[in-house]
Amino acid sequence: KAGVTQTPRYLIKTRGQQVTLSCSPISGHRSVSWYQQTPGQGLQFLFEYFSETQRNKGNFPGRFSGRQFSNSRSEMNVSTLELGDSALYLCASTRAVGQGGLNTEAFFGQGTRLTVV
Amino acid sequence: KNEVEQSPQNLTAQEGEFITINCSYSVGISALHWLQQHPGGGIVSLFMLSSGKKKHGRLIATINIQEKHSSLHITASHPRDSAVYICAVRELQGAQKLVFGQGTRLTINP
Repeated sequence: KAGVTQTPRYLIKTRGQQVTLSCSPISGHRSVSWYQQTPGQGLQFLFEYFSETQRNKGNFPGRFSGRQFSNSRSEMNVSTLELGDSALYLCASTRAVGQGGLNTEAFFGQGTRLTVV
Repeated sequence: KNEVEQSPQNLTAQEGEFITINCSYSVGISALHWLQQHPGGGIVSLFMLSSGKKKHGRLIATINIQEKHSSLHITASHPRDSAVYICAVRELQGAQKLVFGQGTRLTINP
């Protein structure tokens, strides 16, 4: 069973540009979550998509957006890049386990390392 | 104060030693995850716990819901266990998102 695939693995962009990152979840998983990891802030939740709908959103500015397609693949977009957006962006494919779907095991991709110069 | 606190932040030990990493949280949770991150960046889910104890190979994870505390133990540690270990909790209320600890950097010397 293929794992979570993120592309590209590495990316260098200049300030002011925009970037799109892609995440393909594990086959059969319908939920994708995105996270930003920086040395100073650690891992922080960006947003979560389920069946093409954004379910939850973290405390990030509107420059960060995402979407999910009918095949569950997800993209996140960052517009008007700032130096502080340099980070490892991770996505996780989740499937609900247990009653009510509250206990959700997460499978992470390798991440996209974005450097803004 | 962070909602999820891990200790220690850094841990260096000799091969074969018994390792304990602690995680305390302050919010109501539906589950707690222990994750492992190697230098390449990818994250592997080690355990998902909502009560009691789980064991996988040399790894043991426990959780005390009343005390809002979890521990990850590694028996007979090996240099390949060197990684960052991250505790994350799934919020019970609100967005039900994952909230992460800052991680514990473990180095096992041969």
